[in-house]
Amino acid sequence: AQSVTQLDSQVPVFEEAPVELRCNYSSSVSVYLFWYVQYPNQGLQLLLKYLSGSTLVESINGFEAEFNKSQTSFHLRKPSVHISDTAEYFCAVSPMNRDDKIIFGKGTRLHILP
Amino acid sequence: DGGITQSPKYLFRKEGQNVTLSCEQNLNHDAMYWYRQDPGQGLRLIYYSQIVNDFQKGDIAEGYSVSREKKESFPLTVTSAQKNPTAFYLCASSMPDRGNTEAFFGQGTRLTVV
Repeated sequence: AQSVTQLDSQVPVFEEAPVELRCNYSSSVSVYLFWYVQYPNQGLQLLLKYLSGSTLVESINGFEAEFNKSQTSFHLRKPSVHISDTAEYFCAVSPMNRDDKIIFGKGTRLHILP
Repeated sequence: DGGITQSPKYLFRKEGQNVTLSCEQNLNHDAMYWYRQDPGQGLRLIYYSQIVNDFQKGDIAEGYSVSREKKESFPLTVTSAQKNPTAFYLCASSMPDRGNTEAFFGQGTRLTVV
């Protein structure tokens, strides 16, 4: 079975400051890794994903995440946040090569302070 | 455009009434999911279906029922047995062929019991 832990339920950060949202997972098999973003009263949107290849993946709006197999982590980072990044962020995993469901973390709410 | 559609966006229900939330996808995905979202509790899985005419209970299935008669449709009924149904409900779909490489979400239905 797989599990996902997002260590922070809320993260406040000043505008233009860097941010890191932490995600650790547990799995007995290899996994795909995802970050989703949810704006208020909307569904979740895929932000970025790691399937294979380079362990550093990037989104179009400046976020990046690095897959660290030894630490079973997939932390999300952005060097300079904007007020429009205010949202809830969910980390998720799905086992490779298996017909099984995606497992989500409990989410981290990112508050951008002016 | 391919996507996943939930309707209605807002729904009000009197206590003791059953209500059905609609979820339709035209992505040709085999798997569909229903989640419940409450403030501070992340996504909780209600039911999921990997194939037509088959579905499994998730973590909080009590008071809910589903059907999967067509690949495109996965309606959720909130029954009168659900004691606290006021929440935001999200539907999702994926193609779990050798591992889910992405899940797509609808825009959600906000259910309020009055």
